[in-house]
Formats: sequence, C-alpha cells, structure tokens
Amino acid sequence: EMQLVESGGGLVQPGRSLRLSCAASGFTFDDYAMHWVRQAPGKGLEWVSGISWNSDSVDYADSVKGRFTISRDNAKKSLYLQMNSLRAEDMALYYCAKDQYHMLSGDLDYWGQGTLVTVSS
Amino acid sequence: QSALTQPASVSGSPGQSITISCTGTSSDVGGYKYVSWYQQHPGKAPKLMIYEVSNRPSGVSNRFSGSKSGNTASLTISGLQAEDEADYYCSSYRSSSLVFGGGTKLTVL
Repeated sequence: EMQLVESGGGLVQPGRSLRLSCAASGFTFDDYAMHWVRQAPGKGLEWVSGISWNSDSVDYADSVKGRFTISRDNAKKSLYLQMNSLRAEDMALYYCAKDQYHMLSGDLDYWGQGTLVTVSS
Repeated sequence: QSALTQPASVSGSPGQSITISCTGTSSDVGGYKYVSWYQQHPGKAPKLMIYEVSNRPSGVSNRFSGSKSGNTASLTISGLQAEDEADYYCSSYRSSSLVFGGGTKLTVL
C-alpha cells in the first residue's frame, strides 16, 4: 500500500527554522517527482515546491523562494523541506504529494495526511 | 503567481449534473495539458480526480469528467451523490510553478 508520512511540524517562533520530512513507502520512490503543498487553516491549497526524481529540477513558489529548500534522499525514500526565516503567513498544514511522472507535471496522484506548522511568538 | 479563478460555491440536487469552471490564462490552463482537479473532504487530504484535462485515475467514478476550452477548464459531475459534497480545486503547471484555483465548495442539496 502506498504511504506518505509527513513529520517535523510544530510550533516555531517567527524568524526561526524548521525541517519537514516525508517518508515514502509502497512505491518506487526514485521513479517520481515529489511536491510540498500547504493549506492554511480554512483556506485553499497553495503549492510550495517540487523536485524531480533525480533532483535536477527544483521549483519554488515565489512566496517561499530564498527561504525554503526542498531536497530528497532516494536511498532513504524521503523528501524534505528546510524552512528558514519563518513568517506568520507560513502557518499551515503541509502536505507531501507524489507526482505521476518523474519530471514535474503537477499531476499529484497521492498525498500524505500532512504535518501542521504553527508560527507564533 | 495568481491563483486560477473558480466559483466559490456551486450546488445541485442528487441525480443532477453540475459543472465547476477554472479560468486561467494562455500561460497556464490555456497553454498546458497538465490541468488537474482535486476533491477534498473536510479534514482529509486532497484526492486526484482528473489529470491532464480529461483523464480519470484508476478508481475514480466515470461520473467525473474534465474538459478545456481556451483558458478555461471545467469539471463536470453527473448523477450527483451525497458523497460528492466536498471542496474541489483545479491546478495547472506553468513555467516552473504549479498554481491552484481558489477552490469551489460543492453542496448537494
């Protein structure tokens, strides 16, 4: 059974850092691009970042460019999101999602249950 | 990166058909085949319902269909059922970014 399990969320002060992880199982992780998508409480979906199967192609939303870094470790079947200089507007449920293809297409065919990031002093 | 434009809400009675629109530009919806639709029930993760404009993933009911005309994509749900009540989001990949619509709340009356 395909599984994506996010972890690393929590309460953090503005300006601090947090690293999210996503552990994948049930599929060949290194065959697919992966994404992070977030959803603020009561709001819609917002794409954060995506990474191709071999990490050659990486994209970011303008709202996080320069502050967040996406990475993956295919040997560990894991996806990461390093979040620096966190702001109140970064507070959201962060989902890890699998792309249907090895390159970034945006067809996200499987999602984890999310990890909550709260930014507050 | 402006969101794609969706109606905030739509409604329909059981058995009826409804259509949700998703309007973008020639730089996203109109210019790419990677237009997707997601269903999200309260407290749950989104689920892919339509990909590449009109394709259904395995396991998704054929009551769900997608299409595109110019810069506007559409999701049609026929034979509405109570369990279709949810939020629906469109998305499109464009020049190094993925953009979502603002979401549409479907109410089954």
